[in-house]
Amino acid sequence: TQLLEQSPQFLSIQEGENLTVYCNSSSVFSSLQWYRQEPGEGPVLLVTVVTGGEVKKLKRLTFQFGDARKDSSLHITAAQPGDTGLYLCAGAPWNTDKLIFGTGTRLQVFP
Amino acid sequence: DAGVIQSPRHEVTEMGQEVTLRCKPISGHDYLFWYRQTMMRGLELLIYFNNNVPIDDSGMPEDRFSAKMPNASFSTLKIQPSEPRDSAVYFCASSPTGHEQFFGPGTRLTVL
Repeated sequence: TQLLEQSPQFLSIQEGENLTVYCNSSSVFSSLQWYRQEPGEGPVLLVTVVTGGEVKKLKRLTFQFGDARKDSSLHITAAQPGDTGLYLCAGAPWNTDKLIFGTGTRLQVFP
Repeated sequence: DAGVIQSPRHEVTEMGQEVTLRCKPISGHDYLFWYRQTMMRGLELLIYFNNNVPIDDSGMPEDRFSAKMPNASFSTLKIQPSEPRDSAVYFCASSPTGHEQFFGPGTRLTVL
């Protein structure tokens, strides 16, 4: 069974702080994605990383795909209240069209 | 462009009743996914379709759940009979590739 474990599970921080969320698996993925979900809405795709070691930046968010394609991290610089939400990583196994979603990290940023 | 459309947004029903959830995917997307989300189990894939054909229904909990996709612009997820443990938020997502998925707003189902 392919599992994606995220850590931490919950994170409460003050505006302006930096944070990193981790997504780990024992399985190798062809690509990995990060989604953010706000209350009452569906997850929204933030980024897709495809190459081992790849780093992508989206404003204050930095995403990295592990060299072995088994893990990923999301770093947020100077967090803002608007970053509050549930962050989900999702791995695409080889030779299948579906995604395996991580356990989620619930982030709360206080003003 | 309209995103994925789901209806109803909220459904409250009594145990034993039939529930039908509806989804209109983004035009041109060949893949459609049905998920269930709860605090305890997170986001679970129930079933997905490619070009209207069910590909993997291994996540469907039991025979009370069924899903159809009669054409490229419409899908239903039916629960009959419903039970309190089916209470959850049900999401539909569509994708052009299978991997980059676009989610609808979800249907919050409460079974009393």
